[in-house]
Amino acid sequence: GAGVSQTPSNKVTEKGKYVELRCDPISGHTALYWYRQSLGQGPEFLIYFQGTGAADDSGLPNDRFFAVRPEGSVSTLKIQRTERGDSAVYLCASSLKGTGVSDTQYFGPGTRLTVL
Amino acid sequence: AQSVTQPDIHITVSEGASLELRCNYSYGATPYLFWYVQSPGQGLQLLLKYFSGDTLVQGIKGFEAEFKRSQSSFNLRKPSVHWSDAAEYFCAVGSSGGYQKVTFGTGTKLQVIP
Repeated sequence: GAGVSQTPSNKVTEKGKYVELRCDPISGHTALYWYRQSLGQGPEFLIYFQGTGAADDSGLPNDRFFAVRPEGSVSTLKIQRTERGDSAVYLCASSLKGTGVSDTQYFGPGTRLTVL
Repeated sequence: AQSVTQPDIHITVSEGASLELRCNYSYGATPYLFWYVQSPGQGLQLLLKYFSGDTLVQGIKGFEAEFKRSQSSFNLRKPSVHWSDAAEYFCAVGSSGGYQKVTFGTGTKLQVIP
């Protein structure tokens, strides 16, 4: 079956512009996560969705970052007024339930965002 | 707050040699522990995970890891490394209550030489 997909794979934008990054989770997975991976670092948690609602958005760095999952499937991460420091690989993951010892997060290939 | 330390940024081993990647964690309760591998251009792939029970965990691709509570460690091992194992390896800790909020280490990049 299909894994987690993310589009675009690469995005180059100019400082101050608005960008949207899309994540298609594995079908039937209720939990969805966004992470940001800066150069030389491990993935850093941004936000967790359970169904349509953001259950934990404590990792979003500031109010320029926002994410939605309106139908409980596809999610979009939105970044306003991009800054050079936003340049990173944005990873999406999904899991079947979000809780429980057997729940495993499956990651997409990521979107590499470059802000010039 | 939970945290993970991977003290080795880069490791080089010869093909066929044994491998051990170090990981130390900080978590108040019994942690969920993970090892992921990331190859260039690919997503993170789960190698193995520990929740409870047997402290020696077997994973995919011939990897294993041992949970040592007294040392707060979860080191990854492989008896004989293959050239295809060259990648970046991430240790991670997840909360055991509620949903699995996962915190990753900074990674260890493995180079395999012939």
